[in-house]
Amino acid sequence: NAGVTQTPKFRILKIGQSMTLQCAQDMNHNYMYWYRQDPGMGLKLIYYSVGAGITDKGEVPNGYNVSRSTTEDFPLRLELAAPSQTSVYFCATGLAGYNEQFFGPGTRLTVL
Amino acid sequence: AQSVTQPDIHITVSEGASLELRCNYSYGATPYLFWYVQSPGQGLQLLLKYFSGDTLVQGIKGFEAEFKRSQSSFNLRKPSVHWSDAAEYFCAVGAGGGADGLTFGKGTHLIIQP
Repeated sequence: NAGVTQTPKFRILKIGQSMTLQCAQDMNHNYMYWYRQDPGMGLKLIYYSVGAGITDKGEVPNGYNVSRSTTEDFPLRLELAAPSQTSVYFCATGLAGYNEQFFGPGTRLTVL
Repeated sequence: AQSVTQPDIHITVSEGASLELRCNYSYGATPYLFWYVQSPGQGLQLLLKYFSGDTLVQGIKGFEAEFKRSQSSFNLRKPSVHWSDAAEYFCAVGAGGGADGLTFGKGTHLIIQP
């Protein structure tokens, strides 16, 4: 089992470009999450999903969109990249009712 | 809203010495508490968790943590650190059910001196 996978590992974007960060899981978990990690700031929740077709905003959703058409996939979309979105992005999954989360390896994004 | 405070940004410990990393939380009900470790360039790995019951919980890699409700604390300890323990450590709190994610502290960077 691969667990939680994220692609790409690294990406450099120009201001105004768009991209999709991919997240896939084979753990059959209901819940999926996107976090961003900035130096010295811990992790902040961007969006989360409790199941296919259901998504909700976290603490820092502005500038991002998500969709959840299947249990396995939870892509994060940046429409108009800005330097403030330079960060490391982590996808995570969890089982309903347990809180414990399992993290992917992360995507390091730089916007120039 | 819940919050987590990790008062120490950096901690330096000699190899073989004991370790305690501090974590204080703010949450209205019984919290679900976690410690995660992150090695450079890696994702987060769960060290241990507290949901209920015994307030002293054991985790992987020889770590333990103690939940103290009266102090709103969940400090991480290890009796003897190894050079491989050098990493970033995050304390996190979650509400029951897990639907709305975890709230993380800002992390403590652990440096091991030979």
